[in-house]
Order: sequence, then structure tokens, then C-alpha cells
Amino acid sequence: DSGVTQTPKHLITATGQRVTLRCSPRSGDLSVYWYQQSLDQGLQFLIQYYNGEERAKGNILERFSAQQFPDLHSELNLSSLELGDSALYFCASSVRSGGYGIQYFGAGTRLSVL
Amino acid sequence: TQLLEQSPQFLSIQEGENLTVYCNSSSVFSSLQWYRQEPGEGPVLLVTVVTGGEVKKLKRLTFQFGDARKDSSLHITAAQPGDTGLYLCAGAEGGATNKLIFGTGTLLAVQP
Repeated sequence: DSGVTQTPKHLITATGQRVTLRCSPRSGDLSVYWYQQSLDQGLQFLIQYYNGEERAKGNILERFSAQQFPDLHSELNLSSLELGDSALYFCASSVRSGGYGIQYFGAGTRLSVL
Repeated sequence: TQLLEQSPQFLSIQEGENLTVYCNSSSVFSSLQWYRQEPGEGPVLLVTVVTGGEVKKLKRLTFQFGDARKDSSLHITAAQPGDTGLYLCAGAEGGATNKLIFGTGTLLAVQP
């Protein structure tokens, strides 16, 4: 158990819908990262938050947004869902933002868009 | 765009055999990490290498970071069925963010 909690574990929804994925980082970790894993694209970095502020952005679509709350949990919002958004979404956390901080990954949320 | 290419993509071997997985990039990274991922789980960190030419050993696993900090290798000695999984290398840009650029992955199956 990495200490990073992601909910829900599975999500099935329809095209055009909006969903929210939730992540609780390890106790004491200030940085949260979101990644998307699909068969054709592999594991790709989406966005990072550190202590409530956006720190880095990757290949995140405009239909996707995220935030980190004062209690340090984070949510990834996916809207106007398309079939191609079906993937595993992982959250990771680390104590700090830069340096060689180890990232601990949650078990992921499997999103299926039908 | 930074890319990390892993080879081979798939590997099926018998228990007791040795294997090497390669991770190559044209970019320099401040550190390189190796993860193993099992079905239904998130990636689990195996090792972090930060110095060019560094070699780290973890029981039967040996990790090497290239001198130019652009490539890395993972060597497993006497593979066991428990080594089965998806092996991912990931480069960290460093600086103010520790976001990871993941490799294309190597799926290893060790047959008993």
C-alpha cells in the first residue's frame, strides 16, 4: 500500500458526460501529480499541484481540469467525455516538488467511456 | 518532446534466465527511475539513479545510468516468476518540478 488513495476504482460513463476523480496523497506529501495511462500513449504526465498551486502542466486537454484543496487532496475533472478518454488515471504524491523526490502512486481509476 | 524508448517491448523467458531491458533517450535527465507495475496496480518505484555512470544493485536487479544521463539499463539475473510485470523507466526533468517522462514500457513474463 503506497498510502495514496484514489476513488473511485472504476468508473463507467457515457460520451459527453463529466466525471470527477479524487486523490488523497500520502500523509505529509504536498505535491500531487496526475498521469493518464492508455494502450496507445503509455503513461503520460497531465498536471502537478504543489501545496494548492499548479506547478507544471503536461499533455492535459482543455476539457480536463484539476485542483488541489487546502487539505491537500486533489480532484481531476474530465468533461465532454469522448471514447478516447477511456484510460487508467493515476495520482502520485511526493513530499516536495523538485529535486529527486520519490513519487508514490495510487492504484488508479479505470475510466470507461461508452 | 522528450521521449524515452524502451526495448524490448515484450519479453517472455524461462525461470532462471538472465535479461536486460534498455531505456534510451536523446534528452538529458536529472535523474532516472525504474518502476514495476502489476495488473490493476499503480507503478511501484524500484530505484532512482542520479549520477552519470552510476550502478545500483537491488538483490538480483542491477540498474545502470549512462555516462551522459540519457540512457539506462536494467539487468535481472536468474529471473523468477515473481519478476513478471510491466517495467517502466521514467526520466525526471528536475528543477522546480519532478514531473516524470515515462518510457514505452517492457512487458516481462517469466515462465516457471
